[in-house]
Amino acid sequence: EAQVTQNPRYLITVTGKKLTVTCSQNMNHEYMSWYRQDPGLGLRQIYYSMNVEVTDKGDVPEGYKVSRKEKRNFPLILESPSPNQTSLYFCASSLSTVGSPLHFGNGTRLTVT
Amino acid sequence: AQSVSQHNHHVILSEAASLELGCNYSYGGTVNLFWYVQYPGQHLQLLLKYFSGDPLVKGIKGFEAEFIKSKFSFNLRKPSVQWSDTAEYFCAVNGAGGYQKVTFGTGTKLQVIP
Repeated sequence: EAQVTQNPRYLITVTGKKLTVTCSQNMNHEYMSWYRQDPGLGLRQIYYSMNVEVTDKGDVPEGYKVSRKEKRNFPLILESPSPNQTSLYFCASSLSTVGSPLHFGNGTRLTVT
Repeated sequence: AQSVSQHNHHVILSEAASLELGCNYSYGGTVNLFWYVQYPGQHLQLLLKYFSGDPLVKGIKGFEAEFIKSKFSFNLRKPSVQWSDTAEYFCAVNGAGGYQKVTFGTGTKLQVIP
């Protein structure tokens, strides 16, 4: 089954404790992206990747890191999480063709205390 | 830069009522437009998309949207909503001339009352 898999689904952590949210897709998509969803703000792009070893900042990249060492994986790293990073995070992938629809993972609800 | 505005933040309808959700975008060139739906507790799913051609686009579950270039709009419609349409709806734009960057609106929560 074609899918984008994120883990974990729920994560509660404390300020400053490094964490990684994993994302994997099995559709051989070149493009992958991370979004955060906050009430009243919709989805905002954090980072995206056009292909292996090619990543770039989205609209809200501060406090986040990503890597794309393999085509299927695109982990999101929070080196020193802060409470303002409490949010619902979605990974998405698509073909690189402009206009290709995004396929989303099931989301990771992160709480930073 | 591209942007999307959804003016209705929360809509409450009775079953069988007609639905129209507004979406306006800002972008200077050719665009691809999308509507995504997020059912409670789930991830976003594609509802419909416009790339080119017929400005009236039909999607899944009886939804349709009309692209009006002169108004920079891509409103979502459904003639008769059901309780199962209760969800959050997001309009999104992708500038066709650029790279694969999708900008989302802030979303509209639709609540359908049985």
